[in-house]
Amino acid sequence: EVQLVESGGGLVQPGGSLRLSCAASGFTFSNYAMNWVRQAPGKGLEYVSGVRYDGGGTYYAISVKGRFTISRDNSKNTLYLQMGNLRAEDMAVYYCARVAAGGTWVDYWGQGTLVTVSS
Amino acid sequence: QPVLTQSSSASASLGSSVKLTCTLSSGHSSYIIAWHQQQPGKAPRYLMRVEGSGSYNKGSGVPGRFSGSSSGADRYLTISNLQSEDEADYYCETWDSNTRGVFGGGTKLTVL
Repeated sequence: EVQLVESGGGLVQPGGSLRLSCAASGFTFSNYAMNWVRQAPGKGLEYVSGVRYDGGGTYYAISVKGRFTISRDNSKNTLYLQMGNLRAEDMAVYYCARVAAGGTWVDYWGQGTLVTVSS
Repeated sequence: QPVLTQSSSASASLGSSVKLTCTLSSGHSSYIIAWHQQQPGKAPRYLMRVEGSGSYNKGSGVPGRFSGSSSGADRYLTISNLQSEDEADYYCETWDSNTRGVFGGGTKLTVL
């Protein structure tokens, strides 16, 4: 069974940093690209960032480029999102998501972790 | 970059059928899209991908009541024999030339 378990969310002040983790199991993690997708309170889904299966390519939404860094450790089956210079508009539930093999759409989602940006 | 347009809301009666639409922007009518369901208070769930040809491929465990189709730039999600648990937000997804995801605004489905 595919499982994606996020952690690392919490309360952070504007301008602060936070690192999210996503522990993957139930599939060969190193074979799949992975994404982070977020959802602000009461809003829709927003793509944040993606990484190739081998970490060789990374992609970012314009809204987070230069402030967030996606990475992965295939030896630990773990995906990361390092978030810096956080703003109020970054407050959201952050979902880890697996990208379908041979495709570019999400085929599995984690349960999400809440990031609150407030002073 | 592709833009996905969805109606903000839809409603249908218990036991009936409903067809949700996701429209691709001009120049992107051949794109594959994916449909996702988000029940209240839960994480999204992948339902299926729909190709421009109209063929679709469902995710694991998705009930047979769910199907996909396509016409031009429109991609559809049809739910038959509506159940109360189908009341949810439905999002379509595609991607841009830089392999970044793009989501529609979502359709809130109410089961009457």
